[in-house]
Amino acid sequence: DTGVSQDPRHKITKRGQNVTFRCDPISEHNRLYWYRQTLGQGPEFLTYFQNEAQLEKSRLLSDRFSAERPKGSFSTLEIQRTEQGDSAMYLCASSLGSVIASANYGYTFGSGTRLTVV
Amino acid sequence: GENVEQHPSTLSVQEGDSAVIKCTYSDSASNYFPWYKQELGKRPQLIIDIRSNVGEKKDQRIAVTLNKTAKHFSLHITETQPEDSAVYFCAASRDAGGTSYGKLTFGQGTILTVHP
Repeated sequence: DTGVSQDPRHKITKRGQNVTFRCDPISEHNRLYWYRQTLGQGPEFLTYFQNEAQLEKSRLLSDRFSAERPKGSFSTLEIQRTEQGDSAMYLCASSLGSVIASANYGYTFGSGTRLTVV
Repeated sequence: GENVEQHPSTLSVQEGDSAVIKCTYSDSASNYFPWYKQELGKRPQLIIDIRSNVGEKKDQRIAVTLNKTAKHFSLHITETQPEDSAVYFCAASRDAGGTSYGKLTFGQGTILTVHP
């Protein structure tokens, strides 16, 4: 396991279609994050999992977005009824951490899924 | 929530010169400050990080300084090389135990160009 894997790397979809992305974190990492990055901007937080529990969701995550992490391993991010404004790079990251631990560890990012909604 | 401002948005230097990128943050409870380098079309990669109990950290040509009182931190790259050309992002977060669970808030990025 050499890093965080994301699939697919690129996705072109028509407006109104549903899309699903997958992220496989580093196996021993219990924290998993989804971010969205548009051109010329820093990554924006979408949601976070500690093991299988989704602990935080950004207000950016409308009800068309849903994320899961069954069994605390891989995660999926689904966007329903895609809009052109959803076009972006969707980045997944994982890290080690604990709810009670005081230390934060750096993220390892995946290569991202670039979504284009036409 | 946390807000991170990063300056400059673009930085152009000659090979061998130093480069400095500055960030400010708003949440006084933030205590972890990583820096990421992102080359075109590639994933962000952690290059250095600092915690609030440390004022400065160095790793070869890269150093980060932190001023908690002023709520700002900076990335310093010395003896720049063309391969340092990339987009650099600063970020800030709290440790777990609060509501943010290590969520990183990123700055807007700095495009660094090192001319040979």
